[in-house]
Amino acid sequence: AQSVSQHNHHVILSEAASLELGCNYSYGGTVNLFWYVQYPGQHLQLLLKYFSGDPLVKGIKGFEAEFIKSKFSFNLRKPSVQWSDTAEYFCAVNALKAAGNKLTFGGGTRVLVKP
Amino acid sequence: DSGVTQTPKHLITATGQRVTLRCSPRSGDLSVYWYQQSLDQGLQFLIQYYNGEERAKGNILERFSAQQFPDLHSELNLSSLELGDSALYFCASSVAAQGTGYTFGSGTRLTVV
Repeated sequence: AQSVSQHNHHVILSEAASLELGCNYSYGGTVNLFWYVQYPGQHLQLLLKYFSGDPLVKGIKGFEAEFIKSKFSFNLRKPSVQWSDTAEYFCAVNALKAAGNKLTFGGGTRVLVKP
Repeated sequence: DSGVTQTPKHLITATGQRVTLRCSPRSGDLSVYWYQQSLDQGLQFLIQYYNGEERAKGNILERFSAQQFPDLHSELNLSSLELGDSALYFCASSVAAQGTGYTFGSGTRLTVV
């Protein structure tokens, strides 16, 4: 079974700082990869996804992620954060050979951006 | 508004009771998924339906059951509720049965007292 680990549970940074959130997964087969964001009191929203092709994926709100297959990693980055990026971020993996379309989520990283 | 509608938004009930959570998928989506989000367990996949049929099952307790109706809406039934069932229950939907991301609803916050 696949699993996803997000290394940082909490991140605190100031506006304009750069953000990088780590995500590693364990699954030997082909995967689709996702980053979701959950703003306080809201539902999960898709930030970006990787299915195939260019391993550097650009998403909404200035976020990007890089898939490094050899490291089983899919780290999320943003060069300059804003206060409105305060949220919880979830990495998720979909194992393509598994039955159905289950997404396995990491434990989430809470990001607090101080103004 | 994501297009996935969940009702009710909040539910408070007593231990031992039974509740039904409802989800209407985004227009055109055939797959519906249920997830439980709690502080200690994180986001846990419960079950997936595709066009009325169960497609994948996760960590769903025997006290819980779900179904997807011909109009594609889905219901999650939780019975013999325990304090530990208190959580946010999210529904999500997608067009295909496999290989895609989802659109999530706003969730139902269940509190068991």
